[in-house]
Amino acid sequence: GDSVTQMEGPVTLSEEAFLTINCTYTATGYPSLFWYVQYPGEGLQLLLKATKADDKGSNKGFEATYRKETTSFHLEKGSVQVSDSAVYFCALSERQGFQKLVFGTGTRLLVSP
Amino acid sequence: GAVVSQHPSRVICKSGTSVKIECRSLDFQATTMFWYRQFPKQSLMLMATSNEGSKATYEQGVEKDKFLINHASLTLSTLTVTSAHPEDSSFYICSASPGGDGYTFGSGTRLTVV
Repeated sequence: GDSVTQMEGPVTLSEEAFLTINCTYTATGYPSLFWYVQYPGEGLQLLLKATKADDKGSNKGFEATYRKETTSFHLEKGSVQVSDSAVYFCALSERQGFQKLVFGTGTRLLVSP
Repeated sequence: GAVVSQHPSRVICKSGTSVKIECRSLDFQATTMFWYRQFPKQSLMLMATSNEGSKATYEQGVEKDKFLINHASLTLSTLTVTSAHPEDSSFYICSASPGGDGYTFGSGTRLTVV
């Protein structure tokens, strides 16, 4: 079945450091790819998404590019802030209809001042 | 934007009692809603797919009789944890799609069974 693999955390960075969180996937067909963020005690919020190969999703300084050749969707940010501390989930869904999301295990990011 | 409202946000119940969690799509109709469970420091695991006007589809290993799902209207799905036990304590989250490839999540319900 479909699956998503994320790098294990926690990822600990200093403010203004560069962030990369790796995500690779296995899927049949052509999935849509997502990054969700979960702040402490809250539900999930969509951070960005990409629906086809070579698409780049971006939001709040975060970016991720849909790489079909490497089946990857790595999350990057050039300069992290303390407020970015959260758990980040990579996810996929099949494009046909309203399909369930398959999540990675999540990566906790801790940014210190 | 599309909003999914989930209530309650926190609930504490005694072992053996039942708890109902509501998930409402506030500004769109959702024929399908999804219920996830999140264990501490772990990812979200899909429990079931809720279908308006028909039976829910449960994932393998999820007890249908313990986790009752009702999707009586296009804007409301409920999850009832029956005869709750401490091992049912968890964070439950619902989601729905307002269209396209987008999914909107509720804010989650933290259930503690004592």
